Amino acid sequence: GAVVSQHPSWVICKSGTSVKIECRSLDFQATTMFWYRQFPKQSLMLMATSNEGSKATYEQGVEKDKFLINHASLTLSTLTVTSAHPEDSSFYICSALGQGIRGYTFGSGTRLTVV
Amino acid sequence: GNSVTQMEGPVTLSEEAFLTINCTYTATGYPSLFWYVQYPGEGLQLLLKATKADDKGSNKGFEATYRKETTSFHLEKGSVQVSDSAVYFCALVQGGSEKLVFGKGMKLTVNP
Repeated sequence: GAVVSQHPSWVICKSGTSVKIECRSLDFQATTMFWYRQFPKQSLMLMATSNEGSKATYEQGVEKDKFLINHASLTLSTLTVTSAHPEDSSFYICSALGQGIRGYTFGSGTRLTVV
Repeated sequence: GNSVTQMEGPVTLSEEAFLTINCTYTATGYPSLFWYVQYPGEGLQLLLKATKADDKGSNKGFEATYRKETTSFHLEKGSVQVSDSAVYFCALVQGGSEKLVFGKGMKLTVNP
């Protein structure tokens, strides 16, 4: 079945640094990628939606200059958390829709801790 | 806006116990409803879904019925197994949209 590989699975970084999270579709072309964030005991909240080759569409309240999303190819999308702060510590998950697959395929998530 | 409210855990059950995880939703129109499961170290996987009122989704012994009158989509399983230990998410998609709206998720642990 369709697989999305998300890396890293966890990362600890210092405040002020940037962190890049990658999601790769291994056996299909991901035409649309969704990025979610989940704080403890909260729902998965959609941050942004990106289509290959286009700028991402961000949900209200999500800073596009802080959370940079790149979807330059049909198999790779990246989320870069710039100038990370402790309040950005969260669980980030990607999800893809693609040609020839039914439904959403999720990555396994990235636990980001900013110290 | 659209929202999903589900039982909060964590919940611990013994093997062969009956499981119910409540889920209610708020949405305009007629959304499609989903249950996703996340096993340790893996991505969310679709467990079952229902696209219209009175539809019953079923998979791996789990069932959920789309109840429009109570705006609910409760997940049930008659006899849980240790391998069912996971986090369960209720979610909806509004017609015409691709955006999934999730509940908070509920962690289930099944002990032998």
